[in-house]
This record gives sequence, C-alpha cells and structure tokens, in this order.
Amino acid sequence: AQRVTQPEKLLSVFKGAPVELKCNYSYSGSPELFWYVQYSRQRLQLLLRHISRESIKGFTADLNKGETSFHLKKPFAQEEDSAMYYCALTNSGYALNFGKGTSLLVTP
Amino acid sequence: EPEVTQTPSHQVTQMGQEVILRCVPISNHLYFYWYRQILGQKVEFLVSFYNNEISEKSEIFDDQFSVERPDGSNFTLKIRSTKLEDSAMYFCASSPGGGWYEQYFGPGTRLTVT
Repeated sequence: AQRVTQPEKLLSVFKGAPVELKCNYSYSGSPELFWYVQYSRQRLQLLLRHISRESIKGFTADLNKGETSFHLKKPFAQEEDSAMYYCALTNSGYALNFGKGTSLLVTP
Repeated sequence: EPEVTQTPSHQVTQMGQEVILRCVPISNHLYFYWYRQILGQKVEFLVSFYNNEISEKSEIFDDQFSVERPDGSNFTLKIRSTKLEDSAMYFCASSPGGGWYEQYFGPGTRLTVT
C-alpha cells in the first residue's frame, strides 16, 4: 500500500533561516509527487510537482528514489511562507494520497 | 481566474438524513474529485469522476455515497444516510487532465452531523 509520511506536525523557523519540510513515501512503482500548500483562510493549492522540476516561491523539492523522499526546501524563509504544507502522491493519475501535513511558522 | 466553488459552506444535518454537497468545477476541466478531511486528520480521497463515470474510488466511498454530474456545470456528492463519523470538511477538486495535472480545490463544505 502507498503511504506518505510527514514526520513533523509543526516546524517553526526564524525569518531568513533555511527550511526543510520532510516527506517520505512508500510505493514500489514510479509515483508522481506533489507539494500542496494551504495559507490561512485560503484553499488548498499546488505548490510544485516533481515532474516539472521547478522552483516556486523559492521552494524546491528533489525526488530521491533511493531514500524514497521528496523533501521541500527553501534557503531563506519568509513570513509569508507560514502555512500548512502537504506532501501528496498519486500512482493512478486520479487519487491524491496526502500526508498529514506540516504547519510551518516563520517568525520575525 | 476561474475557481472551483462549493455550496453550502457549512451544512448541519441530523444523523440518518440525506445530504447533498454541491460543487461547480472549473468549466473546461474534465476530471472531478471529492476529498474529505476529518478534524485533526489528513485529507482523504473519496472518488474521482471522468467522462460521466467513476474512474476511481476509495474504501471510504461505500454504498452510502454517490456522485453525479446532473448538468454541464454541477458535480454533487450525496450521502444517503449520514452518520456521526461523516462529520468532516468535504473538498471538491477539478483538473484538466489526470496524472501530474494540478488539481484545483474548492474552499470546502463543513458537514456537521448531530
């Protein structure tokens, strides 16, 4: 069975500090992985997906198949990055399997 | 920018009652989804819908649940006989394609079963 694990429920960093949100997955095939974000009082929205190999709002994520990880990183956190971050996986092309989410708090 | 809309924003119903949650997906999207999030838990997939039929469903989506696209714009989730454990935030989403395409989420409907 596929599983997405986000070990940190809450991560608090200072503005300007590097941030890494961890995501590990268990799936034997070739999954498609995503990071979704939910800012306060806003809807869930896509931040980035591994297939695009893009950097959005300074965030990057690298798929490491050996470690089955897809950690989200940003070198210098900003206060506006405070939000709930969800790692998600799909193997079917339909269902997104979400992790429990990590609440990121960036303090000045 | 087009958005997925959901009505109502909050629905309170008594146990055993039928409830219909409504969604208007983005107009040129072809794939439609329902997810739910019980308070304090993760977002869980319920069902996906494409070409007027269910393309995938989870174990949660049992006979109490059904989906329908009654016209060209609405996408509904019906729960036939609600249970206390159906209390959750229900999210509708749509996407232009499957696979790695972004799923666009609605704001959610909070369902409270008393």
